[in-house]
Amino acid sequence: QVQLVQSGAEVTKPGASVKISCKASGYTFIDYAIHWVRQAPGQRLEWMGWINPGNGNTKYSQSFQGRIIFTRDTSASTAYMDLSSLISEDSAVYYCARVRDRSRVNTSPFDCWGQGTLVTVSS
Amino acid sequence: QSALTQPASVSGSPGQSITISCSGSSSDVGGYNYVSWYQQHPGKAPKLMIYDVSNRPSGVSNRFSGSKSGNTASLTISGLQAEDEADYYCATYTGSVITVFGGGTKLTVL
Repeated sequence: QVQLVQSGAEVTKPGASVKISCKASGYTFIDYAIHWVRQAPGQRLEWMGWINPGNGNTKYSQSFQGRIIFTRDTSASTAYMDLSSLISEDSAVYYCARVRDRSRVNTSPFDCWGQGTLVTVSS
Repeated sequence: QSALTQPASVSGSPGQSITISCSGSSSDVGGYNYVSWYQQHPGKAPKLMIYDVSNRPSGVSNRFSGSKSGNTASLTISGLQAEDEADYYCATYTGSVITVFGGGTKLTVL
């Protein structure tokens, strides 16, 4: 079955970077865009951007521009999110999510989500 | 880009129907038929319940339905069940920002 499995929880310090992985299985990885969404404790979902694993194209939310990078390893069917210059407000659960419609990178809903990765930023 | 506006909480008794609204603008909800709804239980990842305003993914109960009028989308849950108790988020494509979520609504089944 279609599945996204994320890397484990991270504890890091202000100013540092964190890299989260999202391993896909059950479908052809390069055919479906992966979006990243985060959720601070008790807060709403916040969209961060997407990567097209087929060609490596990316789109980032302006809220994170300049300190976020999405990459992928097609041989490992894995997407990565790298967030730098962390502050305490970046403490959140980070999710990867697959688009439902392979032809709609921007407009498709997300039909499969990873289990989430908790990132704690604390000095 | 502001989040879409949802009521903070709604409640209903088992068997009843409830509706959750999601208000935006002509630049997001009103401008595209790409509204989706997600259900999130505590400590779990969101689950897609409705997409493209009114479509249900395979496996989602037909007790869940979606609609849109102008700049406001709605999620209706009929025949309320205990397991429906969760947080619900609307989301839509906005063009420049791509995707924006609502503030979330906590559904309590009394």
